[in-house]
Amino acid sequence: GNSVTQMEGPVTLSEEAFLTINCTYTATGYPSLFWYVQYPGEGLQLLLKATKADDKGSNKGFEATYRKETTSFHLEKGSVQVSDSAVYFCALSDEAAGNKLTFGGGTRVLVKP
Amino acid sequence: DVKVTQSSRYLVKRTGEKVFLECVQDMDHENMFWYRQDPGLGLRLIYFSYDVKMKEKGDIPEGYSVSREKKERFSLILESASTNQTSMYLCATDRSGIGDETQYFGPGTRLLVL
Repeated sequence: GNSVTQMEGPVTLSEEAFLTINCTYTATGYPSLFWYVQYPGEGLQLLLKATKADDKGSNKGFEATYRKETTSFHLEKGSVQVSDSAVYFCALSDEAAGNKLTFGGGTRVLVKP
Repeated sequence: DVKVTQSSRYLVKRTGEKVFLECVQDMDHENMFWYRQDPGLGLRLIYFSYDVKMKEKGDIPEGYSVSREKKERFSLILESASTNQTSMYLCATDRSGIGDETQYFGPGTRLLVL
């Protein structure tokens, strides 16, 4: 079956630091890949996505590249802000699994001023 | 803007009670989903629905049922609440598509079963 593994948190950073959250996946087909973000007290919202190999998704200074050879979709941001404090979820959607989302366990990020 | 609303933000119930969680969306989306969110486990799919009166089991349907009588409304029912159902419950919607559709989430209901 499909699965998503992402690094456990919490990740604590200072403002303007570089952020990387690792995400690797296992899928039976050719999945689409997503990063969702959950700010405190809110539901999840889409941060970025990529639908095929070598695609790069980007939004709000975050980037992730779909690497089929390493089955990875690592999230990066060059300079984080306090407002980036949130829980980040990597997810995949696979037609072979009925296009339902499979989520990783989530990584809590805390950015200190 | 897509709006997904959930009937309660916080709920406290006793073991054995019947619990209803309601989700309403205003985007005319075909698909609706119920997840539970637990620390370290991410989101796990309980049930989903592709159309009115249609429902499919997700990965962890035991102890839950659902109802979709209208396109915009999807209810999650805990027939007899148990303490291991204490969790955050999230509703989501998306359009029927080819798998790269964005899911839109409600704010969640934090349920405590005593």
